Amino acid sequence: AQKITQTQPGMFVQEKEAVTLDCTYDTSDPSYGLFWYKQPSSGEMIFLIYQGSYDQQNATEGRYSLNFQKARKSANLVISASQLGDSAMYFCAMRDFRSNTGKLIFGQGTTLQVKP
Amino acid sequence: NAGVTQTPKFQVLKTGQSMTLQCAQDMNHEYMSWYRQDPGMGLRLIHYSVGAGITDQGEVPNGYNVSRSTTEDFPLRLLSAAPSQTSVYFCASSLDLASGNTIYFGEGSWLTVV
Repeated sequence: AQKITQTQPGMFVQEKEAVTLDCTYDTSDPSYGLFWYKQPSSGEMIFLIYQGSYDQQNATEGRYSLNFQKARKSANLVISASQLGDSAMYFCAMRDFRSNTGKLIFGQGTTLQVKP
Repeated sequence: NAGVTQTPKFQVLKTGQSMTLQCAQDMNHEYMSWYRQDPGMGLRLIHYSVGAGITDQGEVPNGYNVSRSTTEDFPLRLLSAAPSQTSVYFCASSLDLASGNTIYFGEGSWLTVV
């Protein structure tokens, strides 16, 4: 069965430092996509970054980068130069491209707190 | 640049009442979906649509109804609200069923059933 595992319920990071949020996934399908979303206390789900299973390079979007290790089935999110506004819940999710539902499978989330 | 718009943001219902959560997108996305988010359960797919006139059930469809008469709109109807439907509801859309980097969520609708 497809599954996303985020093993860190909560993380702290000092402002301006980098932080890595862990995500491992389980799928037998060769074609899939991996996403990270940010959910601040206001509740909206904000798309951060995407990595396709066939992408050769790790995805980057500004201060966000995805450390994609396909053989280990991990897709960790790296946030560089943390800011106070980065304090939020972060979700890793996977979409199976051969599924006929288009469903996103979410992990349980990691709460990140940035300390001043 | 509206993206995915959900209304209402907050709603309190009495058990047995019906209501509709509205979702609209202006990105010409074929795929739209509804999720509910509950503590400890993550986000679960309720219903989805791959285009106008086509809808199908997700993981937790019971008690909900959807329709897709236009590409832009995908309303979610609660037929007879129950306390178990107290949740945060998210509408999401993407270009198509197999899209990778274009899955956007609305801002969420907080529903309380008393």
